Amino acid sequence: DAGVIQSPRHEVTEMGQEVTLRCKPISGHNSLFWYRQTMMRGLELLIYFNNNVPIDDSGMPEDRFSAKMPNASFSTLKIQPSEPRDSAVYFCASSTRGVQAQHFGDGTRLSIL
Amino acid sequence: SQQGEEDPQALSIQEGENATMNCSYKTSINNLQWYRQNSGRGLVHLILIRSNEREKHSGRLRVTLDTSKKSSSLLITASRAADTASYFCATDATIQGAQKLVFGQGTRLTINP
Repeated sequence: DAGVIQSPRHEVTEMGQEVTLRCKPISGHNSLFWYRQTMMRGLELLIYFNNNVPIDDSGMPEDRFSAKMPNASFSTLKIQPSEPRDSAVYFCASSTRGVQAQHFGDGTRLSIL
Repeated sequence: SQQGEEDPQALSIQEGENATMNCSYKTSINNLQWYRQNSGRGLVHLILIRSNEREKHSGRLRVTLDTSKKSSSLLITASRAADTASYFCATDATIQGAQKLVFGQGTRLTINP
């Protein structure tokens, strides 16, 4: 079975540009999570969807970040405008059991110059 | 601050030895999970222990939970080179009315052949 699929795997862009990260969860999983991982702050939950509805977005850093889940098989995380401090690895995860036993994608390594 | 804090931050042992990693947390939890992350990859769920359980086994993994001390440990027996990875504990807790999974900073484990 295919796992959680994220694209792109790597993104390098200049500050001020819009960045869109994509995630396809595992089929049948009804919970989806976006995380950010940095050396300084570790792994931080940004937003959590259940049945395509945002349940907890308290981790979204600021209004420059937005996330959507238009259907059960696709989600996007958008940063507009991007800043160098947004550089991190962004992970998407999905599960059938809420926050338990999450399956992670391999992440998008984002570098904002 | 992080709910889960791990100790040690880094551990290097010889193949065949046992590796023990510890996790401490601050608030009451619903359950505690352990994840592994190989370099450049997403996290992989290893094991979940519920708040009313004290010990759980899965193959070469043994997890203990002491809710009175708010701590957990992960023991990997008969370590192999392939166990080289970072290991994270994640606490599932209800914080300000919302269910959250908060990850520790991780223990970087190196198994020397």
